[in-house]
Amino acid sequence: QSALTQPRSVSGSPGQSVTISCTGTSGDVGDYKYVSWYQLHPGKAPKLMIYDVSRRPSGVPDRFSGSKSGNTASLTISGLQAEDEADYYCCSYAGTFTWVFGGGTKLTVL
Amino acid sequence: QVQLMESGGGLVEPGGSLRLSCAASGITFNDYYMNWIRQAPGQGLEWISCISSSGNIYYSDSVRGRYTISRDNAKSSLYLQMNSLRAEDTAVYFCASDYGGNLRFDYWGQGTLVTVSS
Repeated sequence: QSALTQPRSVSGSPGQSVTISCTGTSGDVGDYKYVSWYQLHPGKAPKLMIYDVSRRPSGVPDRFSGSKSGNTASLTISGLQAEDEADYYCCSYAGTFTWVFGGGTKLTVL
Repeated sequence: QVQLMESGGGLVEPGGSLRLSCAASGITFNDYYMNWIRQAPGQGLEWISCISSSGNIYYSDSVRGRYTISRDNAKSSLYLQMNSLRAEDTAVYFCASDYGGNLRFDYWGQGTLVTVSS
């Protein structure tokens, strides 16, 4: 499978909202509700932020939300905070216990 | 708390082999599907292998036939035997858990670096 398409970078000021898109195909994002998003800080273990397109694990602030339309999923972070600065990766189930990730988006909090 | 700890990374020559381990604590290991995911330098994440609670195994096309995933539920440990290594296998390798095969990666380790170079 080809990687999902994400913007290489996004930025926003504290308090603002940003949205990261994640475009796949009918064989992954378009076919399944199993889209998840991960936050990566350098040197730390990646963290699950959103699963099943729009569900938040316990402990993830409700500033993080997810959605999907057709072959494109989105992660929105509202009320940006300095600690949100990180790399974000989308991931979609692609059938038969295989997954495809996006190329990653670097979020800069200005 | 949940902890996944990878080990076994290092420098290996092209064509060589390496075995990675992932020790889990804070979870009922038997309840989790386990995965290996890697990140090449400057690149994105790539899922490479999954093993179910009962031992069903899945691989990405990029490693099938060269890598072998296994688990020891008694030791709460996951393994990845990597053979016929190539320069393009250079990456940080993460283990990640998936409770009950719910198709998401709940917990991750911090990764172990594998460098394939002569």
